[in-house]
Amino acid sequence: GAVVSQHPSWVICKSGTSVKIECRSLDFQATTMFWYRQFPKQSLMLMATSNEGSKATYEQGVEKDKFLINHASLTLSTLTVTSAHPEDSSFYICSARDWGKVQPQHFGDGTRLSIL
Amino acid sequence: AQTVTQSQPEMSVQEAETVTLSCTYDTSESDYYLFWYKQPPSRQMILVIRQEAYKQQNATENRFSVNFQKAAKSFSLKISDSQLGDAAMYFCAYRGGIRNTPLVFGKGTRLSVIA
Repeated sequence: GAVVSQHPSWVICKSGTSVKIECRSLDFQATTMFWYRQFPKQSLMLMATSNEGSKATYEQGVEKDKFLINHASLTLSTLTVTSAHPEDSSFYICSARDWGKVQPQHFGDGTRLSIL
Repeated sequence: AQTVTQSQPEMSVQEAETVTLSCTYDTSESDYYLFWYKQPPSRQMILVIRQEAYKQQNATENRFSVNFQKAAKSFSLKISDSQLGDAAMYFCAYRGGIRNTPLVFGKGTRLSVIA
């Protein structure tokens, strides 16, 4: 079946650094990818919709200058957390869907981000 | 905007018994899809079952089945013959019919399975 690869799975870094998370669709083309954030014991909150070759669409309350999204190809979207601070610590999950509206979304395994 | 409500934060079931998780949603769209996802402690998102709104027949996947009541906007998940491996967070999700719309998730139900 379709696979979405997300890397890294876990990252720990110092406050003030920038962190890049990659999301790849391995065996299908994804014109659209989605980035979610999940706090402990809570649900997935949509951060942004990433469209190949165009600017991402951010949800209300999500800082676009803090969470930079690039979707340069049909198989790769990246989320960069810029100047990360402890409050940015969270679990980030990407997902993608193959062509056709009936396809379910496939999820990456997530990235646990810890900012010290 | 579409909303998904899961009114049971936690549920428990005895091994081999049956449990039903509730989900209601609100939408003005006529074309949409509904899903149940399972998230074990590993935090992987695993698709359990899906239902197309235009289909009247309830979806079934082995021990998992849904009760889809379109008029009531209800989409409950029934797990039969519960197994220890079923213990997880379960999220109900909605997606509109327009291409490339994201999933909207409920708050989730934590299911415990008692041996």
